[in-house]
Amino acid sequence: KAGVTQTPRYLIKTRGQQVTLSCSPISGHRSVSWYQQTPGQGLQFLFEYFSETQRNKGNFPGRFSGRQFSNSRSEMNVSTLELGDSALYLCASSLDGQGGTDTQYFGPGTRLTVL
Amino acid sequence: GQNIDQPTEMTATEGAIVQINCTYQTSGFNGLFWYQQHAGEAPTFLSYNVLDGLEEKGRFSSFLSRSKGYSYLLLKELQMKDSASYLCAVSYKGTGRRALTFGSGTRLQVQP
Repeated sequence: KAGVTQTPRYLIKTRGQQVTLSCSPISGHRSVSWYQQTPGQGLQFLFEYFSETQRNKGNFPGRFSGRQFSNSRSEMNVSTLELGDSALYLCASSLDGQGGTDTQYFGPGTRLTVL
Repeated sequence: GQNIDQPTEMTATEGAIVQINCTYQTSGFNGLFWYQQHAGEAPTFLSYNVLDGLEEKGRFSSFLSRSKGYSYLLLKELQMKDSASYLCAVSYKGTGRRALTFGSGTRLQVQP
């Protein structure tokens, strides 16, 4: 079974621009979560989507948003980019089955650099 | 907040055993995960603990004590490829089962 895929893998943007990142979960997985990883803050939860609805949200400003499509693929958007948004953005999918361990499996990430 | 504490760095010798500790706040605890992350790569799942005790998976074992808010990851017969960061992550009921709170990670260096 193919793993979680994310596109693009690398992205360079300038301050004030906006960016859209894409994530395709493992086939059959219905939950998609997004995380930001930086050297200073580590891995931080952004939000989770299930059945095209945002189910949980972390402590990030409204500039960070996302959505999920009917095929469970997800996108996240960051508007009005700031230098501090430079990070590795990781997508994780989980089965969300009844009684399962709900383990999240991570994609390779998108490395965003804001200049 | 829900702090997850683990040592920043550890060094061990090839073939040896190393234990990486993790402490967390117990209120609302739902489950604990360990992930391995090599530099420049995505975290990969190692283990999941929800009940007290030891879970063994080949060279890797993970232990949980819910009353103490304590877990450890035990790596046996260390290999050079085990040099990586090890992330402890906790799921809390209040914030959603999939909104994992991660520790800052323990960078393990395996030496010959």
